[in-house]
Amino acid sequence: EPEVTQTPSHQVTQMGQEVILRCVPISNHLYFYWYRQILGQKVEFLVSFYNNEISEKSEIFDDQFSVERPDGSNFTLKIRSTKLEDSAMYFCASIPDRDYGYTFGSGTRLTVV
Amino acid sequence: TQLLEQSPQFLSIQEGENLTVYCNSSSVFSSLQWYRQEPGEGPVLLVTVVTGGEVKKLKRLTFQFGDARKDSSLHITAAQPGDTGLYLCAGLNFGNEKLTFGTGTRLTIIP
Repeated sequence: EPEVTQTPSHQVTQMGQEVILRCVPISNHLYFYWYRQILGQKVEFLVSFYNNEISEKSEIFDDQFSVERPDGSNFTLKIRSTKLEDSAMYFCASIPDRDYGYTFGSGTRLTVV
Repeated sequence: TQLLEQSPQFLSIQEGENLTVYCNSSSVFSSLQWYRQEPGEGPVLLVTVVTGGEVKKLKRLTFQFGDARKDSSLHITAAQPGDTGLYLCAGLNFGNEKLTFGTGTRLTIIP
């Protein structure tokens, strides 16, 4: 069964450093997403991406965050200057079209120290 | 802000028993999805319900979408230890991109 692949699985970074989280969505999917889950809390929407541009973003997704689809396969989330409160599991997801159920990756655990 | 409240938050029952998990909101959703999440993993889709009043069955799991599209339930028959996990409902709005996740129900089935 096709999978959404995320790397790295774990990332530890110092406060103020930049991090890039990588995702390879399912190849024929058109809509891409980033969600995050702080330990013990709900899964929260960050951003959606379609047709090479952001289609929607949450209030969490401020100027420190950016997304990119640099080629036909990768989808990245960059945090420019990490804060302690950015520590969370970050999940990438993709769907082939609207109103489909999402396929999530296994996540990247980001720890900011 | 749309909220999806799940109840109960924790449920621990004996193998073979039946159970129901509820997902409620004051908001209307175009569709509702149920996921199961294992520790350290991403949510895995179980089902999507899109029509008010819709009922979907997946082996021993029965999912229902409320007539008013504000609530949903997950019923498990003859629970097994393999059903243990975190169950999440998530709502999608018309013309909207983001999934709103529920608070989650952590289910433990005791052998």
